[in-house]
Amino acid sequence: AQKITQTQPGMFVQEKEAVTLDCTYDTSDPSYGLFWYKQPSSGEMIFLIYQGSYDQQNATEGRYSLNFQKARKSANLVISASQLGDSAMYFCAMRGNYGQNFVFGPGTRLSVLP
Amino acid sequence: ETGVTQSPTHLIKTRGQQVTLRCSSQSGHNTVSWYQQALGQGPQFIFQYYREEENGRGNFPPRFSGLQFPNYSSELNVNALELDDSALYLCASSFIVVAGSSADTQYFGPGTRLTVL
Repeated sequence: AQKITQTQPGMFVQEKEAVTLDCTYDTSDPSYGLFWYKQPSSGEMIFLIYQGSYDQQNATEGRYSLNFQKARKSANLVISASQLGDSAMYFCAMRGNYGQNFVFGPGTRLSVLP
Repeated sequence: ETGVTQSPTHLIKTRGQQVTLRCSSQSGHNTVSWYQQALGQGPQFIFQYYREEENGRGNFPPRFSGLQFPNYSSELNVNALELDDSALYLCASSFIVVAGSSADTQYFGPGTRLTVL
């Protein structure tokens, strides 16, 4: 079984600062994928970034980067130069090698302060 | 390229009724997954459809059922609604090569918010 843990229910960050959202995972699959999604108050889940378990480099997408530490089973999201529009819920998710579904964590609510 | 769409946006039903939610997958995708997201929680996997067949199911009772059509759009049906079925229902589309393989990134629709009174 797969499990995602996000230990920060809420985070605050000053506009233009960087912030790290924590995610740890548990799986016995030899190959898996890790994802981060953003969910604004409107409800839509917006894909941000993907990291494959065999990828050698940490994934980056614009202001988003994923700090992947395989031995520690962590996949933290780093948002650089925070903007007011980054205020939202952020979910870490994973899919296993043979699983059809994505397993989501409980989420972290990020609030960006002006 | 069109994204994932869902209808209706909001729905209010009473306990015991039946409901049908609809989803159109993103262009080029062949798989639709449905998730239930209760308030304050992460999404929970209901089931996935690939080539009109159920291709995996989460821990939901049989009164949750679905369909996928030849154009890859999908329906989620819930019978005998209960108060705890009140949630945001999210549809996600993706592309998989064969049944049983894992999907690449899933792209979500805007969701249908269901309230059961």
